[in-house]
Amino acid sequence: DVKVTQSSRYLVKRTGEKVFLECVQDMDHENMFWYRQDPGLGLRLIYFSYDVKMKEKGDIPEGYSVSREKKERFSLILESASTNQTSMYLCASSSFWGGDSYEQYFGPGTRLTVT
Amino acid sequence: GIQVEQSPPDLILQEGANSTLRCNFSDSVNNLQWFHQNPWGQLINLFYIPSGTKQNGRLSATTVATERYSLLYISSSQTTDSGVYFCAVRPISGGYNKLIFGAGTRLAVHP
Repeated sequence: DVKVTQSSRYLVKRTGEKVFLECVQDMDHENMFWYRQDPGLGLRLIYFSYDVKMKEKGDIPEGYSVSREKKERFSLILESASTNQTSMYLCASSSFWGGDSYEQYFGPGTRLTVT
Repeated sequence: GIQVEQSPPDLILQEGANSTLRCNFSDSVNNLQWFHQNPWGQLINLFYIPSGTKQNGRLSATTVATERYSLLYISSSQTTDSGVYFCAVRPISGGYNKLIFGAGTRLAVHP
C-alpha cells in the first residue's frame, strides 16, 4: 500500500515565523504535490515537483516555497507566516512513467493555524 | 480552464439506502479519481477510473469519458460512509499533472 505521511497533524504558529511542512512517501513516486484546502474554495495546488530538485508553481504559489532534495521527501516552506495562510495543507504523490502520471495518493493533512 | 461540477451538493440518507453521486466535467480528461474525505480531513482513494466501470464492495463507479461524466454508486449505506465525496480530474490539455477538484458532495448517513 502507498503511504504518504506528513510531519504534523496540527500546528500553531505566530505571524512572521518561518514554517516547514514535511511530506514523505514510500512508493518511489516521481511526482509530489502540495495543496491547500479552504472552506468554499476547495482544494488548490500550491506547488508540485516531478523530480529531485525540480519544481513547478501551481495555482497559488505566492508566499510559499518548496524543497525536494530527496525523491521521497517534499517540503513546503512558509517564509513568513501570515494569518491568511491558516488552512488545511495536503501532500500527495503519484507515479510518472510512459509520459503519463497516474493515481494520486494523499497524506493525512496538516491543519495549520497562524495567530 | 476545465470545470468540474458535482451533484447533489448535500445528501442525507437513512442507513441502508442507496445513492448516486454525479460528476460532470467540461473538457477531455485522462485521469479521474473519486475520494472520500473523512471527518479528520484525510482523503481516501476510492477509485481511479478514467473510463469504464469498477466495483469495490458496496461502492462502484462508472466513467463515460466521451460524454464527460462519472457516477459513484453507494449501496446499503452505513454511518461510516458519512463525509465529503470529491471527484477530481486531470485535463488532457494543459495542467500538467494537476488534479482539478469538484466542490464535493457532503453525505450524512443517519442510523
